[in-house]
Amino acid sequence: EVQLLESGGDLVLPGGSLRLSCAASGYTFSSYAMSWVRQAPGVGLEWVSAIGGSGEPTYYADSVRGRFTISRDNSRNTLYLQLNSLRAEDTAVYYCARGYVSSGWFDCWGQGTLVTVSS
Amino acid sequence: QSALTQPPSASGSPGQSVTISCTGTSSDVGGYSYVSWYQQHPGKAPKLMISEVTKRPSGVPHRFSGSKSGNTASLTVSGLQAEDEADYYCSSYAGSNNLVFGGGTKLTVL
Repeated sequence: EVQLLESGGDLVLPGGSLRLSCAASGYTFSSYAMSWVRQAPGVGLEWVSAIGGSGEPTYYADSVRGRFTISRDNSRNTLYLQLNSLRAEDTAVYYCARGYVSSGWFDCWGQGTLVTVSS
Repeated sequence: QSALTQPPSASGSPGQSVTISCTGTSSDVGGYSYVSWYQQHPGKAPKLMISEVTKRPSGVPHRFSGSKSGNTASLTVSGLQAEDEADYYCSSYAGSNNLVFGGGTKLTVL
């Protein structure tokens, strides 16, 4: 069974940093691109970033480019998202998802991890 | 990139059909056959229901179907069941390695 499990969400001060992790199991992790998608409270979904199966290429939404960094460790079957210079508007549940931005689909999602940016 | 436009709500009685629209532009929905639909129950992760406009992943009931005309994509749920009550989101590839989502539609089964 394919499973994705996020962790690392927390309450952080504006301007702070955080690293999210997503542990994958049940499939050959390196064979698939991965993305991070976030959902602010009571709001819709927003694609954040994507990474190829080998670790390249990487892509970012305009709203996070230059502040967030996506990476993966295929030896550990783990996806990461480094969040820097956090703002209140980054407050959201962050989901990792398996799939391809260029084909527009994500067929497996984690349960999400909550990031709250507040003073 | 701007979000795709979905009606905030839709409803139907059990057994009826309901269609949810998703309107974009020629730069996203109209320009690519890469529209997907997701179902999200409260407090749960989204679930892929339709990919590439019309493709239904394994395990998704045949009651769910997708289509597209011009800059508008649609999700039709036939034979509505109580468990179909959820939020539904469309997404589309928007070129230049960008993906855009709709604002979501809350489907109520009356």
